[in-house]
Amino acid sequence: DAGVIQSPRHEVTEMGQEVTLRCKPISGHDYLFWYRQTMMRGLELLIYFNNNVPIDDSGMPEDRFSAKMPNASFSTLKIQPSEPRDSAVYFCASSLAATDTQYFGPGTRLTVL
Amino acid sequence: AQKITQTQPGMFVQEKEAVTLDCTYDTSDPSYGLFWYKQPSSGEMIFLIYQGSYDQQNATEGRYSLNFQKARKSANLVISASQLGDSAMYFCAMREKGFQKLVFGTGTRLLVSP
Repeated sequence: DAGVIQSPRHEVTEMGQEVTLRCKPISGHDYLFWYRQTMMRGLELLIYFNNNVPIDDSGMPEDRFSAKMPNASFSTLKIQPSEPRDSAVYFCASSLAATDTQYFGPGTRLTVL
Repeated sequence: AQKITQTQPGMFVQEKEAVTLDCTYDTSDPSYGLFWYKQPSSGEMIFLIYQGSYDQQNATEGRYSLNFQKARKSANLVISASQLGDSAMYFCAMREKGFQKLVFGTGTRLLVSP
């Protein structure tokens, strides 16, 4: 079975540009999570969905960040406008149920110049 | 307050030896889960092992075992017979009941030498 798929794997953009990160969870998983990893803050949860509905977005750093899940097999994380401090690795993860293990995608390494 | 503490920024071990990576946690919730993930230099996060707070026995998965000491609030990862491919960052994480998010420690970098 395919794991969590993320695209692009690497993204380099200039400050002020819009960035869209994409995620396809494992088929059948009801929960989808977006995490961000930085040297300063480590791994932190940004937002998660259950059955395509956002449940907790308290980790989203500011209004420049938005996430959607239009259907069970696709989610996006958008940053508009991007800033250099948004440079990080963004992970998408999914799990079958609330108490199940979260499986991570390969991550998107974002660099904002 | 730090919920997950990994006090070893780096560990060194020789191939074929066993190594223990430390993890302590802090929670007042009696129901929680503890996880270990491996992050090789390629960057992906690989799930290794899970321990539930009510599990009676320590979790094992192949060469990985979790030394769970509930009273001490520790969940150390033991890797037996280390291999060169075990060189990576290792993260301990916790999920409390009622919360879906994983809270991660700062990680331990393991280097396995020939």
